[in-house]
Amino acid sequence: NFILTQPHSMSESPGKTVTISCTRSSGDIASSYVHWYQQRPGSSPTTLIYDDNQRPYGVPDRFSGSIDSSSNSASLTISGLKTEDEADYYCLSYDSDSFWVFGGGTKLSVL
Amino acid sequence: QVTLKESGPSLVKPTQTLTLTCTVSGFSLTTGGVGVGWIRQPPGKALEWLALIYWDDDKRYSPSLSSRLTISKDSSKDRVVLTMTNVAPLDTGTYYCARTLDSIVGGAWMYSVPPLGPYFDYWGQGALVTVSS
Repeated sequence: NFILTQPHSMSESPGKTVTISCTRSSGDIASSYVHWYQQRPGSSPTTLIYDDNQRPYGVPDRFSGSIDSSSNSASLTISGLKTEDEADYYCLSYDSDSFWVFGGGTKLSVL
Repeated sequence: QVTLKESGPSLVKPTQTLTLTCTVSGFSLTTGGVGVGWIRQPPGKALEWLALIYWDDDKRYSPSLSSRLTISKDSSKDRVVLTMTNVAPLDTGTYYCARTLDSIVGGAWMYSVPPLGPYFDYWGQGALVTVSS
């Protein structure tokens, strides 16, 4: 079993770039895909990135995902920040014992 | 158009059993590769995966909650049901159902060989459940 650790909160200005990390506590980050969700207040999560670095149709290319085996972590990068990007962001991955693990979530403020 | 909708009681007393239903449309629960899972979110807290059932009736449970959870489906009614026994105030939160979808690549299910793990592509609106006496 592993846990996914995300920074609790981050803050950045409009137009800037922010990178949210998701660090896997044990096991190889590359052994399972990492997916990212955005959740605005009062709404259901929506998929931003799936399969480490793929964007669903309709998600702007300002959003990108990557994994780094050296730090055993995944990252979500948002460039050209907009005030509408203010939300909670969650990473998700899969344990080989057949269950899913969410990260603790990152609250992003854009101000 | 794929949709999922959760339904169930908004208030449950401690020690009772909670039953939630997810009604789906726009896809079939018997299509190969389809899974429907449940995820919950306590107020102000993170998402937590609970359980999932696949098209072939294979079931998966969160190790920390497996003794209290049962997931089932009625494909003829396009419904997935989650029951949680012996609820407590800590079980208060919004309960979501969501779909996963695998596909065959190179003769095998894509997410069954490393890298593992499908994602939840469509989510319901969520159902708020409060556990209180």
